[in-house]
Amino acid sequence: DQQVKQNSPSLSVQEGRISILNCDYTNSMFDYFLWYKKYPAEGPTFLISISSIKDKNEDGRFTVFLNKSAKHLSLHIVPSQPGDSAVYFCAASEATSGTYKYIFGTGTRLKVLA
Amino acid sequence: DTGVSQDPRHKITKRGQNVTFRCDPISEHNRLYWYRQTLGQGPEFLTYFQNEAQLEKSRLLSDRFSAERPKGSFSTLEIQRTEQGDSAMYLCASSSPNRGHTEAFFGQGTRLTVV
Repeated sequence: DQQVKQNSPSLSVQEGRISILNCDYTNSMFDYFLWYKKYPAEGPTFLISISSIKDKNEDGRFTVFLNKSAKHLSLHIVPSQPGDSAVYFCAASEATSGTYKYIFGTGTRLKVLA
Repeated sequence: DTGVSQDPRHKITKRGQNVTFRCDPISEHNRLYWYRQTLGQGPEFLTYFQNEAQLEKSRLLSDRFSAERPKGSFSTLEIQRTEQGDSAMYLCASSSPNRGHTEAFFGQGTRLTVV
């Protein structure tokens, strides 16, 4: 039962262009969403988050959009840089769980071509 | 640097042996999580501590797995009678309780290989 889904295992984008990574979820109780970036042999690094009371959050080159009715979120990276090449995970959490644990998707490998 | 620290980074063990991993969270964080990640998958939740109290355990955590956080600071994860299926990256994360929802910060992980 995959509550958080990233249906694109990989994505290639030209340097300077926009990268759009997508994530879908099934649990309507999720109220907080995060994106993490992971390099090989390292732990995930937090990128950006969004609460369910918002539909957009921006931090520098990274913007996360949330569409609650569609249970869909996306991460936009503009402009994409070669150093952005990594695996990106979306994660979701619900306050009612009491533990604020994060449920992760399976990841999308982004390759930014120079 | 006061990030999340995990030890060891790598562990190779023979099937049937016991292993123990340590996690030192960010000092002011009292929420601590253990996750497991296998190839091609996202991190899977194993267990959660708030201070020294273990508040949730995943069904993934069989009886061979035990975690402790004795003084609400560092945590250990022990796997008894290891099996080849236990081979994975074990990740520890911590977060601050000051706000309801907040991001968790992960350590570098412990890569376990059971041979």
